[in-house]
Amino acid sequence: DTEVTQTPKHLVMGMTNKKSLKCEQHMGHRAMYWYKQKAKKPPELMFVYSYEKLSINESVPSRFSPECPNSSLLNLHLHALQPEDSALYLCASSRQGPRDRVTLSSEAFFGQGTRLTVV
Amino acid sequence: SQQGEEDPQALSIQEGENATMNCSYKTSINNLQWYRQNSGRGLVHLILIRSNEREKHSGRLRVTLDTSKKSSSLLITASRAADTASYFCATANSNTGNQFYFGTGTSLTVIP
Repeated sequence: DTEVTQTPKHLVMGMTNKKSLKCEQHMGHRAMYWYKQKAKKPPELMFVYSYEKLSINESVPSRFSPECPNSSLLNLHLHALQPEDSALYLCASSRQGPRDRVTLSSEAFFGQGTRLTVV
Repeated sequence: SQQGEEDPQALSIQEGENATMNCSYKTSINNLQWYRQNSGRGLVHLILIRSNEREKHSGRLRVTLDTSKKSSSLLITASRAADTASYFCATANSNTGNQFYFGTGTSLTVIP
């Protein structure tokens, strides 16, 4: 199984809602990532979990709250979002994460993303 | 972008022609990777080149790396309509490891 599965595929939420995005991989990867991608822009790194611990937070607003319940799952909890947060949210995993020996680094596997619209 | 620049930003070619896109990066690296993204979908890994390599091939893909110029190029030979997508480079470096910062990307259109 070389898939990263993201749910839901589409999400529309109001600015007062609380919702969660989910990501799952069963490749035994030890690093998992959240990216945000606006139209016609590259993916922007938000968070990295390495060995189930938050390794990197790229100064993301607190209305985005990541969670890694176990090595296969990654969640992104959303609360009080703004319309400008509407974007494609991508999850990825890799065999090694930050701080691992980069000489052994490998590629990232991406999910198909969640298209989020904040109204 | 969090990493660097790619050029051209957009490229339109006829089927059968070769497509070349370039990536420049800012920091020292251990490897550089190229990814492809079909519209609104996830990214797919294409090829990885390590900092001690200068050229690598995979099928119709050829990647070069010039660490002195901090640049890489991706060549797609004999392009097909199905190659239409956005292409991004991403780097990993000694200080930060695998954090996959992406360049600005090149949007490739292959006209049948």
